[in-house]
Amino acid sequence: GENVEQHPSTLSVQEGDSAVIKCTYSDSASNYFPWYKQELGKGPQLIIDIRSNVGEKKDQRIAVTLNKTAKHFSLHITETQPEDSAVYFCAAAYGQNFVFGPGTRLSVLP
Amino acid sequence: DAGITQSPRHKVTETGTPVTLRCHQTENHRYMYWYRQDPGHGLRLIHYSYGVKDTDKGEVSDGYSVSRSKTEDFLLTLESATSSQTSVYFCAISEGTGVGDTQYFGPGTRLTVL
Repeated sequence: GENVEQHPSTLSVQEGDSAVIKCTYSDSASNYFPWYKQELGKGPQLIIDIRSNVGEKKDQRIAVTLNKTAKHFSLHITETQPEDSAVYFCAAAYGQNFVFGPGTRLSVLP
Repeated sequence: DAGITQSPRHKVTETGTPVTLRCHQTENHRYMYWYRQDPGHGLRLIHYSYGVKDTDKGEVSDGYSVSRSKTEDFLLTLESATSSQTSVYFCAISEGTGVGDTQYFGPGTRLTVL
């Protein structure tokens, strides 16, 4: 079955710097790769996603890149702000089958 | 939280007691899911439903059962709770249109089994 690894597990950056979180997956059949942000005490919220026919997608300060050959995808957050502090999860999906990474705790230091 | 409510939001129970968690959606989405979230494990699928009375097992289904008698409600039951089922439980929904359906999550239920 699918296995998703995520690195780093924790990440601290200064406000205004960029943050990068990387995920790798094992099943080449996976074709949908969402990223979720989870704030303390809340459910995960979708922040950006990418499908296997696209290599990069941007939404304001957030971007995701996908390398299907290498089976890895990354989340890039630019100009980080304190409100970006949260736990971020990647997932690899095929149809309704989602497999999540273990999460990255991002801390943005003022 | 995309028209998803979960009840209760917090529950403390004792080992061996039955527990039922409820997920209610107002989006009329076809698919509903139950996940558990534990430190270091991310989100793991327990069971999911692809229609009324249509359910299937996920990765960590042992000790759990589900039921879906209406499109909007999906129940998760722990027949006899154990301490290993202490976790945060999330319900999710998706439209079920095909490839790459986005899943939207509810606010979660924190369950403690003493």
